Amino acid sequence: SQKIEQNSEALNIQEGKTATLTCNYTNYSPAYLQWYRQDPGRGPVFLLLIRENEKEKRKERLKVTFDTTLKQSLFHITASQPADSATYLCALDETGFQKLVFGTGTRLLVSP
Amino acid sequence: DSGVTQTPKHLITATGQRVTLRCSPRSGDLSVYWYQQSLDQGLQFLIQYYNGEERAKGNILERFSAQQFPDLHSELNLSSLELGDSALYFCASSQPGLAGYEQFFGPGTRLTVL
Repeated sequence: SQKIEQNSEALNIQEGKTATLTCNYTNYSPAYLQWYRQDPGRGPVFLLLIRENEKEKRKERLKVTFDTTLKQSLFHITASQPADSATYLCALDETGFQKLVFGTGTRLLVSP
Repeated sequence: DSGVTQTPKHLITATGQRVTLRCSPRSGDLSVYWYQQSLDQGLQFLIQYYNGEERAKGNILERFSAQQFPDLHSELNLSSLELGDSALYFCASSQPGLAGYEQFFGPGTRLTVL
């Protein structure tokens, strides 16, 4: 069956360190993968999109990698700040028409 | 602010009732998506509309239906409500609805079924 797995345990790190979140998927062949941030009780906010022919994408302190052989995406936040504390969701397009399937998300807690 | 609006913000109702959730997409976005988020299921895709036509369906219950109107706003109708329907319901919109476009999410409607 198709699955998207993100670490369900919260990730606790110190301010200034790099946070690395993992998204693994099985039985999908996505053309691209997206990462979203969600704060409690609020709608997800788009962060980055990476296509299957891109190994890496950066935006300010954010970096995403996409390994279609390993079926894995890594999401990095460098120089993390307490304001980065949130749940981060990865999403795959199941059909090529924006029918997104979301992982359950990883909660990141950045301590001062 | 994503530019997507949803009303109402909160809804409390009883089992067996019917409710309508409303969504206005960002200006210029033709695609509207509905998602359900509950604690045990995560964010689940329900249905997608593109310029008034249904484009994709997820695991949407038969008791649920949606439509997109000519002005592109959308409504999600939930009927014969059950306790398990209590969740956050999000609407999102995107541009052409083709692959590779980010989705902009609204603030959600929190539905509580008592």
